[in-house]
Amino acid sequence: EIVLTQSPATLSLSPGERATLSCRASQSVSSYLAWYQQKPGQAPRLLIYDASNRATGIPARFSGSGSGTDFTLTISSLEPEDFAVYYCQQRSNWPGTFGQGTKLEIK
Amino acid sequence: QVQLVQSGAEVKKPGASVKVSCKASGYTFTSYGISWVRQAPGQGLEWMGWISAYNGNTNYAQKLQGRVTMTTDTSTSTAYMELRSLRSDDTAVYYCARDGSERFLKDWFDPWGQGTLVTVSS
Repeated sequence: EIVLTQSPATLSLSPGERATLSCRASQSVSSYLAWYQQKPGQAPRLLIYDASNRATGIPARFSGSGSGTDFTLTISSLEPEDFAVYYCQQRSNWPGTFGQGTKLEIK
Repeated sequence: QVQLVQSGAEVKKPGASVKVSCKASGYTFTSYGISWVRQAPGQGLEWMGWISAYNGNTNYAQKLQGRVTMTTDTSTSTAYMELRSLRSDDTAVYYCARDGSERFLKDWFDPWGQGTLVTVSS
């Protein structure tokens, strides 16, 4: 099973700052990686798929990069509604696995 | 718009069964599959299994084999997840999500249902 390790576990930033979240795979997943956002009491929402493609309706301040084993989700300038938990998911090895999540909190 | 609407919260006793429904709209149901994911309180996401709405094929997480059954009703565009022999550690929010129609397709979970809280308590 491919293990995804997200870092940091918690990230404390202020609105307007840049956020950089990391997801590392235990073996190569090529570009078969997605990012999801989950706000309290809500279902996860697809943000980025195939490592770098924004899902429909996702603002341009969200971007994804990486391939192989190292991936990054970047939020260029944090808005108040961006504070949430972010999960990465790989599907190189079906059915896929999730990372443990990064909580992005307001500093 | 593409939407998945799940059934309401359930409270069950240990040893009982629960069946959660997930009604799809806004797309051709049989062109996709449905994955089920659960989230225990304060925890991460755990994939439970997948069903193809195209041909009914299923694939379950090994730890749930023998306790979980996933089905679909194509006449109503509804997917179901039944979990039996419930234990306290099955207490979680259960989500359905649209997935690929075949195993090994590298589709992504989009969209998700709103979630169904299942509480297992004596």
